[in-house]
Amino acid sequence: EVQLVESGGGLVQPGGSLRLSCAASGFTVSSNYMIWVRQAPGKGLEWVSVFYSGGSTYYADSVKGRFTISRDNSRNTLYLQMNSLRAEDTAVYYCARLRWGAYYYMDVWGKGTTVTVSS
Amino acid sequence: EIVLTQSPGTLSLSPGERATLSCRASQSVSSSYLAWYQQKPGQAPRLLIYGASSRATGIPDRFSGSGSGTDFTLTISRLEPEDFAVYYCQQYGTSPEWTFGQGTKVEIK
Repeated sequence: EVQLVESGGGLVQPGGSLRLSCAASGFTVSSNYMIWVRQAPGKGLEWVSVFYSGGSTYYADSVKGRFTISRDNSRNTLYLQMNSLRAEDTAVYYCARLRWGAYYYMDVWGKGTTVTVSS
Repeated sequence: EIVLTQSPGTLSLSPGERATLSCRASQSVSSSYLAWYQQKPGQAPRLLIYGASSRATGIPDRFSGSGSGTDFTLTISRLEPEDFAVYYCQQYGTSPEWTFGQGTKVEIK
């Protein structure tokens, strides 16, 4: 079964750091494009970062310079290192598999992990 | 950056009725890069439509997508109780960027 499971969320003070994990099963992370999407409480969806299968990474302007996306091929896991966290980073963070080529869309989503930035 | 504007914000309908959701882009979007997702409370989004009009695996045929350029539509032909949810359109831009609309909530009237 194709599945994504996020972990690592929690409560952190402003300026702090967290590392989110996204463990995949049923497919290979390194052969796919992978994306992090977040959703602030009561708000819509916002893309955060993407990791292309070839190794390129991209970030939304709102997190550029603070967040780092990476992957561990041996663990088949995607990560999001979040530094210098702000209150506005409070959200549920989802990882998803991004299908690419003739079409671009997110076909498999994890259940999400909640990040709360508060003092 | 392309902005997607969804309308209406909320759609109040009864089971069995037809739902028509709009997604308008601030500039032309490739149909290949336009998708629709459904999200229920406390759940992750679920892919419904990709390429503006192709149904994802397992999606009932009461869901259909259409449109091109700057105007796209998601239609639910006959609402079932499980269809009451929030729907998002999403596009891919070549920066690269992925943009979502603000969502349309379909609620029971």
